[in-house]
Amino acid sequence: SQQGEEDPQALSIQEGENATMNCSYKTSINNLQWYRQNSGRGLVHLILIRSNEREKHSGRLRVTLDTSKKSSSLLITASRAADTASYFCAPSSGNTPLVFGKGTRLSVIA
Amino acid sequence: DAGITQSPRYKITETGRQVTLMCHQTWSHSYMFWYRQDLGHGLRLIYYSAAADITDKGEVPDGYVVSRSKTENFPLTLESATRSQTSVYFCASTAGLAGVGTQYFGPGTRLTVL
Repeated sequence: SQQGEEDPQALSIQEGENATMNCSYKTSINNLQWYRQNSGRGLVHLILIRSNEREKHSGRLRVTLDTSKKSSSLLITASRAADTASYFCAPSSGNTPLVFGKGTRLSVIA
Repeated sequence: DAGITQSPRYKITETGRQVTLMCHQTWSHSYMFWYRQDLGHGLRLIYYSAAADITDKGEVPDGYVVSRSKTENFPLTLESATRSQTSVYFCASTAGLAGVGTQYFGPGTRLTVL
């Protein structure tokens, strides 16, 4: 298992702005997943991008993957107060449990 | 209720006592996981299970015991609780292989060891 490292650790933006957070990892992967955690709750899966994909969209979410740089980014467009949460990436190399880092804490101010 | 549930949601216990945290999923997912979450550490994997009667250690297994006699249940036992085990514990499950598909998380159990 390998752990992704999210950056920045914390991010504060105004409602309506875009939020970008990044994830770096160390070894080759099969896929990379992004999860959201609202305060005091369990993680919720947002999106999975496979190693042969470069970009994926889901609603206001856009995820990119650059396997040559071993990095991924999550863009949330037109942020809302309800997007306030911690966001985690989880790179996966195969049949091993996901490992989660410390996440990015996003605060969207109304 | 469909999904993954944990009980109790909150637990206060004393040092040295045995505590069991329960996890139940209704999907018949093969893999189940236990994580703990502490400030400054993110989520750390304690134990996981690929199927009934198959368990394996994660990153921080010391002080914990797991069992999986039925596919749907994956209890986590602290045999002699210590203050350092004060944490929020999350159970998760996934269909298919670990790390391949979506993991579904329970709501968590907040454990305080006095």
